[in-house]
Amino acid sequence: DVVMTQSPLSLPVTLGQPASISCRSSQSLVHSDGNTYLNWFQQRPGQSPRRLIYKVSNRDSGVPDRFSGSGSGTDFTLKISRVEADDVGVYYCMQGTHWPPQTFGQGTKVEIK
Amino acid sequence: QVQLVQSGGGVVQPGGSLRLSCAASGFSLNSYDMHWVRQAPGKGLEWVAFIRSDGSDKYYADSVKGRFTISRDNSKDTLYLLMNSLRADDTAVFYCATWYTSYAFDIWGQGTMVTVSS
Repeated sequence: DVVMTQSPLSLPVTLGQPASISCRSSQSLVHSDGNTYLNWFQQRPGQSPRRLIYKVSNRDSGVPDRFSGSGSGTDFTLKISRVEADDVGVYYCMQGTHWPPQTFGQGTKVEIK
Repeated sequence: QVQLVQSGGGVVQPGGSLRLSCAASGFSLNSYDMHWVRQAPGKGLEWVAFIRSDGSDKYYADSVKGRFTISRDNSKDTLYLLMNSLRADDTAVFYCATWYTSYAFDIWGQGTMVTVSS
C-alpha cells in the first residue's frame, strides 16, 4: 500500500498569514494514464470532510482561491495564501492512483494562534 | 438540495452485525461510484470500501475484507454497508461519499457512529 506522510501534524497560524502543508507518498503517484491522483480534503470541527483539491492542483467548486495545490511525483503541497478563521480544521492528503486501497495522510491540524 | 442521508449506526456487541444505509436526496445515485470512509474517535480518515456505479466492481480495505459487504440498490438510490463480525477497533464514524477523480464534484454523508462494545 502507498503510505502518505504529512508534515507538520499541527500548524498554528496567525490570521492573515500564509500556511503550507507537505504531503509525501512512498511511491510516485503518476498513473499509467499520465494523471496524478492526489487530493486534499478539509474537515472542519464537527463536520464531514470535503474535498478541496483534485489531481494535485485543481480546486473543487466553491473552494476559495486562497487554497492552492502543487507538486509532482512523490512530493505535494497545500498552501493557504492568507488564513481565515473559517480555515480551522484538519487537512488530509489522499492518493487515488494506486488503489485499492485509497490512502490518506495522518492529517494536519490547522489552528489559529 | 443534493445530499447523502445516512442511517443505521448504533451500539453493537463484539461479533455482532450492523447494516448502514446511505440514501441519495436531490439526485440519482445510479451514475456515481460510491465509497465508505471511516474515522475512529480522535483519529484520521480511513478508506473502507468502494462500489462501481452499476455494482460491477467492489473493493475493500484489508482491515474489513471478508467481514464487510458493500452493496447498492439504484432503484432506491441507496448505498449499504453490511458489517459482520464487528470488533472493538471498528468503532468509528462511518461516512458514505462520492467524488469524481477528474472533475470538481464530491458529496459526503453526515456520518453515522458505530460503537462496538460489550
